[in-house]
Amino acid sequence: EPEVTQTPSHQVTQMGQEVILRCVPISNHLYFYWYRQILGQKVEFLVSFYNNEISEKSEIFDDQFSVERPDGSNFTLKIRSTKLEDSAMYFCASSRQEDYEQYFGPGTRLTVT
Amino acid sequence: ELKVEQNPLFLSMQEGKNYTIYCNYSTTSDRLYWYRQDPGKSLESLFVLLSNGAVKQEGRLMASLDTKARLSTLHITAAVHDLSATYFCAAQVRYNFNKFYFGSGTKLNVKP
Repeated sequence: EPEVTQTPSHQVTQMGQEVILRCVPISNHLYFYWYRQILGQKVEFLVSFYNNEISEKSEIFDDQFSVERPDGSNFTLKIRSTKLEDSAMYFCASSRQEDYEQYFGPGTRLTVT
Repeated sequence: ELKVEQNPLFLSMQEGKNYTIYCNYSTTSDRLYWYRQDPGKSLESLFVLLSNGAVKQEGRLMASLDTKARLSTLHITAAVHDLSATYFCAAQVRYNFNKFYFGSGTKLNVKP
């Protein structure tokens, strides 16, 4: 069964460094998403992406964040200058159409020290 | 903005007992999802509820949706230890399916 994959599973970085989190959505999906879950808290929407542009973004998704689909398979989330409060689990999701169920990847745990 | 509230946030129960988790949401939504999350793991899809009155069952779990009351329930029948996990509901705003709004989650601990 096709699934969303994410790499790395765990990333440790120092404050101020740039990180890129990678996702490979399900191959025939067209809509892509990033969510964040701070430890022990609920899952929060960051951004949705369709047709090579951002469809919607939350207040969390400020200028430090960017997303890209550099080729036909990868979908990346870049944090330009990480802060301690960026430490969280980041989930990528994809869906076939906008109103279809979103399938979540296994997540990348980001630890900023 | 759609607000999603779950209760209870923590639930400790004995094996064999029944219980219900409630998910209320603030504005019109026709789509409600339930996910299970084990510690340190991703979100596993349990149920997708797409219309008023929808009821779905899988094993000891049954989910329902009442769009008029803006309420979804996840009912656990004769709980077993393996059901211990955190359960999230998530809703989408009608006509804007770009994102899910998640509830805070219910951490379920089923004691053997």
